Amino acid sequence: GNSVTQMEGPVTLSEEAFLTINCTYTATGYPSLFWYVQYPGEGLQLLLKATKADDKGSNKGFEATYRKETTSFHLEKGSVQVSDSAVYFCALRISGGYQKVTFGIGTKLQVIP
Amino acid sequence: NAGVTQTPKFQVLKTGQSMTLQCAQDMNHNSMYWYRQDPGMGLRLIYYSASEGTTDKGEVPNGYNVSRLNKREFSLRLESAAPSQTSVYFCASRGSGTSYSGANVLTFGAGSRLTVL
Repeated sequence: GNSVTQMEGPVTLSEEAFLTINCTYTATGYPSLFWYVQYPGEGLQLLLKATKADDKGSNKGFEATYRKETTSFHLEKGSVQVSDSAVYFCALRISGGYQKVTFGIGTKLQVIP
Repeated sequence: NAGVTQTPKFQVLKTGQSMTLQCAQDMNHNSMYWYRQDPGMGLRLIYYSASEGTTDKGEVPNGYNVSRLNKREFSLRLESAAPSQTSVYFCASRGSGTSYSGANVLTFGAGSRLTVL
């Protein structure tokens, strides 16, 4: 079956630190990959996505590259801000059928001033 | 603003009571989903609806029923609530096609926090 693995955290960083949140996946088929972000008290919203190998998704200073050879989609940001404090979910979707999206458990990020 | 609207935001039930969570989207999406979010388990799919008039089970359907009332609305019903159903519930919808940046991306509601005593 399909699965997504990421650390639960919390990850605590000081403002302006470099962020990496690891995400690896297993999938039958050729998935599209996503990072969703959930700010406190809100629903999830798309942060970035990549639909094929070697694609780089980017948004709001965050980046992630679709690595088929290592089945990974690690999220990075060069300089985090307090406003980036949230829970980050890695997810994959296989085309066809009902196109179910499989989520990781979510990684909580806390950025301190 | 366009998006997914869920009601209620908070609800407390006693074991055995029933209730319905309502969800509506105004983006003309065909597909709609109900997830539950639990600590350490991420999001798990309860039910989904690929189009108006169709519904199917997800990973954790036991204890729930759904209705796709029309293209806009997708409700989740707990017939006899149990403490194990204490969770945060999210409704989502998905655009289709490939010609725009929002294609095949889930849009979520703000969530409904349910506590079953």
